[in-house]
Amino acid sequence: SQQGEEDPQALSIQEGENATMNCSYKTSINNLQWYRQNSGRGLVHLILIRSNEREKHSGRLRVTLDTSKKSSSLLITASRAADTASYFCATDAGQGAQKLVFGQGTRLTINP
Amino acid sequence: NAGVTQTPKFRVLKTGQSMTLLCAQDMNHEYMYWYRQDPGMGLRLIHYSVGEGTTAKGEVPDGYNVSRLKKQNFLLGLESAAPSQTSVYFCASNSWIGQPQHFGDGTRLSIL
Repeated sequence: SQQGEEDPQALSIQEGENATMNCSYKTSINNLQWYRQNSGRGLVHLILIRSNEREKHSGRLRVTLDTSKKSSSLLITASRAADTASYFCATDAGQGAQKLVFGQGTRLTINP
Repeated sequence: NAGVTQTPKFRVLKTGQSMTLLCAQDMNHEYMYWYRQDPGMGLRLIHYSVGEGTTAKGEVPDGYNVSRLKKQNFLLGLESAAPSQTSVYFCASNSWIGQPQHFGDGTRLSIL
């Protein structure tokens, strides 16, 4: 079963708008990661947020984590055509975990 | 700096044939992973390794075998390919579970 589930499954916006994607998970975690996948390519790591952090920024990316609600959100501000990709959240399974579990992803399309 | 390299990039097999997918990383990472990605299913972990000579089962290990004889290489074997194994296979590596994973660009495998 999937630890992380993204919402929405697909999102289409105009260039310049902000895009928000959400991730929910089921068990306690040490950290949560977001990845991007361009069509036909492997996943690329975007940002990692630890369980004791509430918000993290990287360029136009802002990630929040609410461990009480077991949820995270990824905000991309001032979107560009190059942001068109699938975005995945991934979580470990807490203490002693040796692997990540990925969600099903959000397909983001930026329209020019 | 190649990162994670997967070979081959594409392959078509007939049912019952066997093959080995190779993953090589040049980052001296301890952890290596094999995933499969199917439409609408996200990434599912097949097998992983936490160091040279070690392997462990992931979420969907049936029908696959792996070996990690050298630290830099992680091999995924299909002994008797089945149409249900048609998928895109990704290899990833990292230095330990709390660090981002680095992905190859995938092997697209079709089994007829």
